[in-house]
Amino acid sequence: ETGVTQTPRHLVMGMTNKKSLKCEQHLGHNAMYWYKQSAKKPLELMFVYSLEERVENNSVPSRFSPECPNSSHLFLHLHTLQPEDSALYLCASSRKVLAGGLDTQYFGPGTRLTVL
Amino acid sequence: ILNVEQSPQSLHVQEGDSTNFTCSFPSSNFYALHWYRWETAKSPEALFVMTLNGDEKKKGRISATLNTKEGYSYLYIKGSQPEDSATYLCAFVSGGGADGLTFGKGTHLIIQP
Repeated sequence: ETGVTQTPRHLVMGMTNKKSLKCEQHLGHNAMYWYKQSAKKPLELMFVYSLEERVENNSVPSRFSPECPNSSHLFLHLHTLQPEDSALYLCASSRKVLAGGLDTQYFGPGTRLTVL
Repeated sequence: ILNVEQSPQSLHVQEGDSTNFTCSFPSSNFYALHWYRWETAKSPEALFVMTLNGDEKKKGRISATLNTKEGYSYLYIKGSQPEDSATYLCAFVSGGGADGLTFGKGTHLIIQP
């Protein structure tokens, strides 16, 4: 157990649905991240939050909307997704935001999303 | 766009044998290199964070070396066991570390009993 949980673990949704992914960390960290892994591609950073403020948005389409209500919880709201958005979505946390690249990131197990 | 390459893409190794694989990254503007181990249906788990050229880190039967001048890191597993079966990811950090982790696609290791 890494101390980072994600729900649901699997999600199937239609293109017109609205759904949310949830991430919770029990490590007392101040930074949280959303990553996407599509088939045969490396993990891609989507969003970074530091102390509940978004510090990075890597050109992610607006149909993905993150929310960080406090330093322990991170959500990814999904709206009118496309089939090509089907992927594994991973949440991670670290002590400090990006931390000069030296802080270990602790990952959740991911949500496997399928968009029909 | 930073290019982080891992080879081989997949690897079958007999139980008890030792093995190694490679992570290649840009040799300029190096800041740190991370190694993660990712078992199927579980969370990626941090193995090492490496920063210094010539650095060598060890955790049980797993060790890693770093060459920042030529832009590569090796991960070694000694006496492979079935529980070593996983995907091993490396992630590069450039500059002052403000740009986050750039991951490779991973090496998928299967240990055959």
